[in-house]
Amino acid sequence: KQEVTQIPAALSVPEGENLVLNCSFTDSAIYNLQWFRQDPGKGLTSLLLIQSSQREQTSGRLNASLDKSSGRSTLYIAASQPGDSATYLCAVSGGQGGKLIFGQGTELSVKP
Amino acid sequence: NAGVTQTPKFRVLKTGQSMTLLCAQDMNHEYMYWYRQDPGMGLRLIHYSVGEGTTAKGEVPDGYNVSRLKKQNFLLGLESAAPSQTSVYFCASSRLRLYNSPLHFGNGTRLTVT
Repeated sequence: KQEVTQIPAALSVPEGENLVLNCSFTDSAIYNLQWFRQDPGKGLTSLLLIQSSQREQTSGRLNASLDKSSGRSTLYIAASQPGDSATYLCAVSGGQGGKLIFGQGTELSVKP
Repeated sequence: NAGVTQTPKFRVLKTGQSMTLLCAQDMNHEYMYWYRQDPGMGLRLIHYSVGEGTTAKGEVPDGYNVSRLKKQNFLLGLESAAPSQTSVYFCASSRLRLYNSPLHFGNGTRLTVT
């Protein structure tokens, strides 16, 4: 059974710092991995989708990498801003009918 | 751009009451999903649909029913609400199957069952 883990559960950094969020999964037979952002009281917004054949994807200050063999993905946020404060979730799509399995998320706080 | 719209935003039910959560998407997506989000449990799939007129069970389907009579709408029903169904419910849609298409979420319905 696929399990997705995100460590740490919470992270606080000063504005301007570069940071890395981690995601690990137990079954490397995945189709893709998605990173989402969730603001308090809101739904999830898709940030990046990495296909299993890809190593990384970039969007603006965000860069996500994927290492299937080790069951790991990282989300790199450059020059963090207070507006980046949110919960970041990763999810993998694999067996089980291709459904998404979500991690518990990392709650990020960027202090001015 | 409305995207995925959920109604209502909040609802309080008494045990045994019924209700229907409405989800509408204007992106012409084939696939639609209902998730629930609970502290410590993360997001779990309740039911999903791969097209108009189809529905399928997800990870936690018991106590819920769904219907997809129109492509743009996906309804989630609770026939006899229980306190264990207190949760935040999210509807989502995707253009293609999840292994090659991102998921778009609504803003959620916060349901409390007393």
